[in-house]
This record gives sequence, structure tokens and C-alpha cells, in this order.
Amino acid sequence: EAGVVQSPRYKIIEKKQPVAFWCNPISGHNTLYWYRQNLGQGPELLIRYENEEAVDDSQLPKDRFSAERLKGVDSTLKIQPAELGDSAVYLCASSLAIPQGENGYTFGSGTRLTVV
Amino acid sequence: GNSVTQMEGPVTLSEEAFLTINCTYTATGYPSLFWYVQYPGEGLQLLLKATKADDKGSNKGFEATYRKETTSFHLEKGSVQVSDSAVYFCALVNYNFNKFYFGSGTKLNVKP
Repeated sequence: EAGVVQSPRYKIIEKKQPVAFWCNPISGHNTLYWYRQNLGQGPELLIRYENEEAVDDSQLPKDRFSAERLKGVDSTLKIQPAELGDSAVYLCASSLAIPQGENGYTFGSGTRLTVV
Repeated sequence: GNSVTQMEGPVTLSEEAFLTINCTYTATGYPSLFWYVQYPGEGLQLLLKATKADDKGSNKGFEATYRKETTSFHLEKGSVQVSDSAVYFCALVNYNFNKFYFGSGTKLNVKP
């Protein structure tokens, strides 16, 4: 079974440019999460989807970040315009509706964004 | 509120040494506790978990016991290997909020 797939793995952009990240969760996982991991820190939740509905986006900087999960499967996270402080690893994770499953969350490998 | 505190790294050990990485937590209700490992350039992988007090999670020689009285979930391994070099994250999930809270991570370096 394929895990959580993210692309691209690495992205370098100039500040003020837009950027998008893509995530394909594990088949059957209806809950999808986007986390941001700053250097030397633990991941912090940006947004959580239950199927196609964003049920927790309280930590998403809505002035420049947006996300969508069409048809409740794949998801895209966008930043427009990017700022230097957005440099981080963006992690996607998925789980069954209740994360207290056997495997908790399953994380993708992440997208490492560098804004110059 | 909910939070996780880990010992700061890096932790540097020689191969076959004993490992302890301390983790304490603050939570409302009855959280489940996890250890995740992140190898260089990769995402987080679940290492072990415990869902109630006094449970012991174990995997690949690593162990951690859910201690409610001390609100701790320390990670231990009796004999580390060079391949264990990674960053280790302690985390809790509070099902009232359906959200993970991660510690800041502890980097482990194991030397041959």
C-alpha cells in the first residue's frame, strides 16, 4: 500500500512568488492534515479536513495561505505571496476519522520550501 | 491546555550505549502518547504509542511507559545503533480536539 504522497520534495522560490504543494493521502483515510515544521521544531497544525470539509483552520494564515481538498481525496496547499518566514517543511498526514487507530497519523515525506 | 516538553538535544552516544530521552506533557482529559522518529530528509514515522496510564509502548528495541502520576513518557533503548541516529518527537493527541501536539524534537547522534 502506498503511503501519503507529497510533491514536490523540494521547492526554492523568490519571495512574493506563489507556490503550491500537493498531497495524496492513504486510500480510505478521510481525515487529512497539513502541518508546518520550522527548522529545529516540531510540526504545527495548519489545517485539518474531514472529507472535503475544513474542520479546523484556526492556525492557517488566511491572508496568504489557502487550501482545498476537492472530492475529499487529494489536497493542495497554496501560499501567495510567499515570504521569507515561510521557509519550512510542509507535511501532509492522513488518518482514519479517529486518529487513535493502530497507526495514529501517517505522514508524507514533506515538501521543503526555501524562500529567498 | 495541551503541550509536550522534550529534553533539548543533540544527544550524542556511542554505539551500544543506553538511551533515555525525557518527555513530559500537560493535557486535559486522557490523552494518548506517541513517539515519532524522523530520519534525515524523511517524514515522521510512528515509533510507538500508549493509549492509557501504565501502558508500555515498544518497537525496534525502544520502549516508553505512560506515567500518569509524573505526566511523563520517556523513551528508552538499551543499546543504540548508528542507524538510530535521527530526530525523535514526543507527541500527544487529545481526542476532545482531534489534534496532535508535538514536542520540539530531540536529535540523537550515535557514533560508531
